[in-house]
Amino acid sequence: AQSVTQLGSHVSVSEGALVLLRCNYSSSVPPYLFWYVQYPNQGLQLLLKYTTGATLVKGINGFEAEFKKSETSFHLTKPSAHMSDAAEYFCAVGGGATNKLIFGTGTLLAVQP
Amino acid sequence: DGGITQSPKYLFRKEGQNVTLSCEQNLNHDAMYWYRQDPGQGLRLIYYSQIVNDFQKGDIAEGYSVSREKKESFPLTVTSAQKNPTAFYLCASSIAGREYGYTFGSGTRLTVV
Repeated sequence: AQSVTQLGSHVSVSEGALVLLRCNYSSSVPPYLFWYVQYPNQGLQLLLKYTTGATLVKGINGFEAEFKKSETSFHLTKPSAHMSDAAEYFCAVGGGATNKLIFGTGTLLAVQP
Repeated sequence: DGGITQSPKYLFRKEGQNVTLSCEQNLNHDAMYWYRQDPGQGLRLIYYSQIVNDFQKGDIAEGYSVSREKKESFPLTVTSAQKNPTAFYLCASSIAGREYGYTFGSGTRLTVV
């Protein structure tokens, strides 16, 4: 069985500060890992994904994430927050017997001026 | 441009009515999914379909029904048996293959009046 835990349902940072959103996963098979972003009243948009190969993955809007197998983590970071980064972020894991992704419960990021 | 279209964006339902949410994709994706989103609860899977004329229940299928008569279309009916249907509904699609992730529509917000 697969699962995802996102630590912190709400994270608040100042504009220009480091963004760190935490995601830990559980998977009995090599996982595929995803981060999605959702702006209010919109669908989810893929930020980045890890499948195989390089463990540091770069995505859109300056975000990146590092796959750490030993820590079963896939934390999302951005060096300098921008007001436009305020949104909800979802981590997801796939790689089981079906195509289904398992989503975390989301982290709402607030960016203070 | 290829994409996934949900309609309508806003929908109001009277108590005891059935309503149908539309989801159409022109990405030639095999699999399609319906999720329900409530504040603080993340995404909950209602139904999914990996091939035409076949679909499976997700975690919260009670009070919902679907059909998959065409590859491009996966409509969701919210029946009167769904006691608390007010929510944001998201449709997604994916290529067969665990590493690709999902493409999401922009959602339908259903409100019971």
